[in-house]
Amino acid sequence: DADVTQTPRNRITKTGKRIMLECSQTKGHDRMYWYRQDPGLGLRLIYYSFDVKDINKGEISDGYSVSRQAQAKFSLSLESAIPNQTALYFCATSDGAGGRAQYFGPGTRLLVL
Amino acid sequence: AQSVTQLGSHVSVSEGALVLLRCNYSSSVPPYLFWYVQYPNQGLQLLLKYTSAATLVKGINGFEAEFKKSETSFHLTKPSAHMSDAAEYFCAAMNSGGYQKVTFGIGTKLQVIP
Repeated sequence: DADVTQTPRNRITKTGKRIMLECSQTKGHDRMYWYRQDPGLGLRLIYYSFDVKDINKGEISDGYSVSRQAQAKFSLSLESAIPNQTALYFCATSDGAGGRAQYFGPGTRLLVL
Repeated sequence: AQSVTQLGSHVSVSEGALVLLRCNYSSSVPPYLFWYVQYPNQGLQLLLKYTSAATLVKGINGFEAEFKKSETSFHLTKPSAHMSDAAEYFCAAMNSGGYQKVTFGIGTKLQVIP
């Protein structure tokens, strides 16, 4: 089984709809992250969480919110989806020790019409 | 603020040829450095990382990278390209103190020509 899972893998929604992307991990890591990937822009950080009670905005948090339901679960919500939120979204985890790599989920491809 | 520059958003090499993907970072304090690979329809996977133990870092699938402080570079190389190396490669830098923010480059798509 995959260490970091994301649901759904693909989603089509309409402008103005609220949607939630979910992430679960079995690696036992404290830190979790949400990124979006756009062609030519690389990965940009939306939100990150160092533990259940610690949630922080990343560089592009406007229009997004998150919930850390448990150490293993971190959800990303688009309160009112807009077309420029069409992107590939990745969840990642790390254990926080200095220089440790991040482990990525398979991604959710979101299309907002 | 930390930045990561990957020269060349697309690189093409012939099968069997040297692979060289360039990465430069901007930081007065050498950060932790990573190369990740993304195959189609998959998430990013760690190829290798530099954490100050050794300047030449060996990773998976025959890749290696050399940290050069004087050039603020961390270029990725592989002596002989294989068709299975076709993917997108991301260089990333992590601040060595504080929050340990990670900054990614824009990625380089590697095409391997048979």
